[in-house]
Amino acid sequence: DVKVTQSSRYLVKRTGEKVFLECVQDMDHENMFWYRQDPGLGLRLIYFSYDVKMKEKGDIPEGYSVSREKKERFSLILESASTNQTSMYLCASSLRGFRSYQPQHFGDGTRLSIL
Amino acid sequence: AQKVTQAQTEISVVEKEDVTLDCVYETRDTTYYLFWYKQPPSGELVFLIRRNSFDEQNEISGRYSWNFQKSTSSFNFTITASQVVDSAVYFCALRLNDYKLSFGAGTTVTVRA
Repeated sequence: DVKVTQSSRYLVKRTGEKVFLECVQDMDHENMFWYRQDPGLGLRLIYFSYDVKMKEKGDIPEGYSVSREKKERFSLILESASTNQTSMYLCASSLRGFRSYQPQHFGDGTRLSIL
Repeated sequence: AQKVTQAQTEISVVEKEDVTLDCVYETRDTTYYLFWYKQPPSGELVFLIRRNSFDEQNEISGRYSWNFQKSTSSFNFTITASQVVDSAVYFCALRLNDYKLSFGAGTTVTVRA
């Protein structure tokens, strides 16, 4: 089974801090994703990576950056955390191919609170 | 632009009742893929099913069944004889010929014993 592991289930940080959310997958998937989930809005894509050191912006990239130095690891960075970034963050991975319809596999999520 | 609408925000049923979750999508593409995911209280999204736009066959998997109708742009999901373990948030999602998944807002299903 695919395993996507997010480093923290719950995280509390202060406004202005630099925050790192880590995600690791063990199935050699090329694609990795970061979403945020908010009530009534479903999941919204923040960033996507299709290979090491490659990244593309999703629907809501403002205030975030990402890093993919190794194939299995994809980090989401909040450069200067703000209260409107309090949310549930979900990492996912999938096989590559623009025409691939392989499902994305998700981690358990990190519930981040910015005070 | 593509869009997925799950009009039902919350559904509450008593155990053993059937429950149908609606999903309506919008896209101008002729090739696309539809997905359903389940998110139990633990938080992880669990993949349930995918359908491509060329396959309108309905599918049944145990107590779960899916009805895909291109004519009405709908991909509805039915849980038959619901159980307490079915309590979760269910998401419908649409994917075109690229990596991007567009999710609906989700429907929270509560099954009471």
